Amino acid sequence: DIQMTQSPSTLSASIGDRVTITCRASQNINNWLAWYQQQPGKAPKLLIYKASSLETGVPSRFSGSGSGTDFTLTINSLQPDDFATYYCQQYSTYPWTFGQGAKVEIK
Amino acid sequence: QVELVESGGGVVQPGRSLRLSCATSGFAFRSYSMHWVRQAPGKGLQWVTVISPDGTNKFYADSVKGRFTISRDNSKNTLYLQTDSLRLEDTAMYYCARDSPFRGGLFDYWGQGTLVTVSS
Repeated sequence: DIQMTQSPSTLSASIGDRVTITCRASQNINNWLAWYQQQPGKAPKLLIYKASSLETGVPSRFSGSGSGTDFTLTINSLQPDDFATYYCQQYSTYPWTFGQGAKVEIK
Repeated sequence: QVELVESGGGVVQPGRSLRLSCATSGFAFRSYSMHWVRQAPGKGLQWVTVISPDGTNKFYADSVKGRFTISRDNSKNTLYLQTDSLRLEDTAMYYCARDSPFRGGLFDYWGQGTLVTVSS
């Protein structure tokens, strides 16, 4: 199975900050990488697919980059709704696997 | 709008069974593969199983193979997960998710989840 490793696991930030989360795959997944946001007590929500494509309706302050094994999620100008846990997921190869999550907390 | 609503969770003893359901609306259910993804309390996401649009192809995570069975009723727009021989480690929120039409294994819509608690 492809292992997905996110860092950091937790980060503290303030409203208006720029935040970066990284995700590393244990083997080449090309750009078959998605990012999901999960707010407390809610289902995950698709933010970004194919490493850098923004899902319809997702604010443009979210962006993704990377290819191969190394990927990044960036949130520009953090807003109150953005305090959540973010998961990367590879959909290159079955079985599909997720990173362990990165929690963005209020500083 | 796309809507997925899970039900059927509850508290069950180890070794027993539960049948989860996911009622869908707002899209052509019979045209999409569907998944179950679970999340143990305080933990991350784990893909569990997928079923093809016509129900003929099914794949399972190793951790549930031989114990869980995914199925669907396209006339009722409903997805099911039969969970047998439940173990303590199966305790989790179970989400149904729609497979993206653009690439298999991308989950574009999720339900709100149904909680399964396995406890003696």
